[in-house]
Amino acid sequence: AQSVTQLGSHVSVSEGALVLLRCNYSSSVPPYLFWYVQYPNQGLQLLLKYTSAATLVKGINGFEAEFKKSETSFHLTKPSAHMSDAAEYFCAVSEGTGFQKLVFGTGTRLLVSP
Amino acid sequence: GAVVSQHPSWVICKSGTSVKIECRSLDFQATTMFWYRQFPKQSLMLMATSNEGSKATYEQGVEKDKFLINHASLTLSTLTVTSAHPEDSSFYICSARPRYLGTGELFFGEGSRLTVL
Repeated sequence: AQSVTQLGSHVSVSEGALVLLRCNYSSSVPPYLFWYVQYPNQGLQLLLKYTSAATLVKGINGFEAEFKKSETSFHLTKPSAHMSDAAEYFCAVSEGTGFQKLVFGTGTRLLVSP
Repeated sequence: GAVVSQHPSWVICKSGTSVKIECRSLDFQATTMFWYRQFPKQSLMLMATSNEGSKATYEQGVEKDKFLINHASLTLSTLTVTSAHPEDSSFYICSARPRYLGTGELFFGEGSRLTVL
């Protein structure tokens, strides 16, 4: 069965600093990986996805993530944090194609200080 | 883009009453919809998978008689919390998978916050 581990329930950065949110996955088959963002009292918005194409994936709002099979990682980064990036971020894994369900990590809350 | 809408976005009800939450895919057909529950400051817990025209598949530990799911059409799934109690208070989120996409991508509704008094 697949699983996702997000290291750090909270990450604090200053505005303009690098953002790094960690995600490690476990999957018995080549995974599809996703990062979602959730703002308070809202649903989830897809930031980016990895579906076995390029290992460096670029998403919305300046975020990107790199799939590293050898490290079973899919860390999310952004070169320069903005106050509006403060939110909850979830990493998720889906096995293969078809109607497989997503399994989410426990989430990381990103705090951005001025 | 693909839009999923949930209604109501928030609801308050008395203990013992039933509440229905709707999840609609506005611009695509969804043969599969998922219902999640999210407790404060926690991740999403999958409750059930609903396929159009068939019975929902519930995750272990989720009471199917408590949380009734109906997926009567390709654009609508409903979650009914029956005989709600305060412990059912939570944020419920649905997601839908377009039938034309095989990447596993889901589109999420805005969520429905249920408060049971």
